[in-house]
Amino acid sequence: EVQVVESGGGLVKPGGSLRLSCAASGFTFSRYSMNWVRQAPGKGLEWVSSISSSGSYMYYADSVKGRFSVSRDNAKNSLYLQMNSLRAEDTALYYCARHLNSTMVSPCGYWGQGVLVTVSS
Amino acid sequence: QSVLTQPPSVSGAPGQRVTISCTGSSSNIGAGYDVHWYQQSPGTAPKLLIFANSNRPSGVPDRFSASKSGTSASLAITGLQAEDEADYYCQSCDSNLSVLFGGGTKLTVL
Repeated sequence: EVQVVESGGGLVKPGGSLRLSCAASGFTFSRYSMNWVRQAPGKGLEWVSSISSSGSYMYYADSVKGRFSVSRDNAKNSLYLQMNSLRAEDTALYYCARHLNSTMVSPCGYWGQGVLVTVSS
Repeated sequence: QSVLTQPPSVSGAPGQRVTISCTGSSSNIGAGYDVHWYQQSPGTAPKLLIFANSNRPSGVPDRFSASKSGTSASLAITGLQAEDEADYYCQSCDSNLSVLFGGGTKLTVL
């Protein structure tokens, strides 16, 4: 069974940093590109970042470019999101999601339950 | 403001048919990128409902269907049931491989 489980969320002050992790199981992690998608309280889905299966290509939403960095460790079946210079508007539930198939234009077929990040003083 | 435009809300009585539109542009849907649809019930993670414009993943009832034409797409739900009450999101991509979500549509079953 495909599973992705996020961790690392919490309360952080504006300007602070946080690193999210996503542990994957039930599939060959190195064959799939991965995404981070967030959802602010009461709001819609917002794509944050994608990373190719090898980790060679990374893509970011304009709202996080230059502040967030996505990476992966295929040996550990893990995806990461390093979040720096956090702002109040980054407060959201952050989902890790796997593409349905091996192409980066395929949809997010598998989602974790999300991890909450709260940016507040 | 989302690049893909959806109506904020739709409603229908049990057994009825409702449609949800998703309007993009020549930079995304109109450029040939597939449209996907997600269902998010309250307090749960999104679930893939339709992929590649009109395909249902295993386990999704055939009451859900979708289509794409030009710069727009639409999701149709027939035989509305109480359990269909949820938020629905369309998704596509652009040439930068940015993932684009619609703003979401809240479906109320009356």
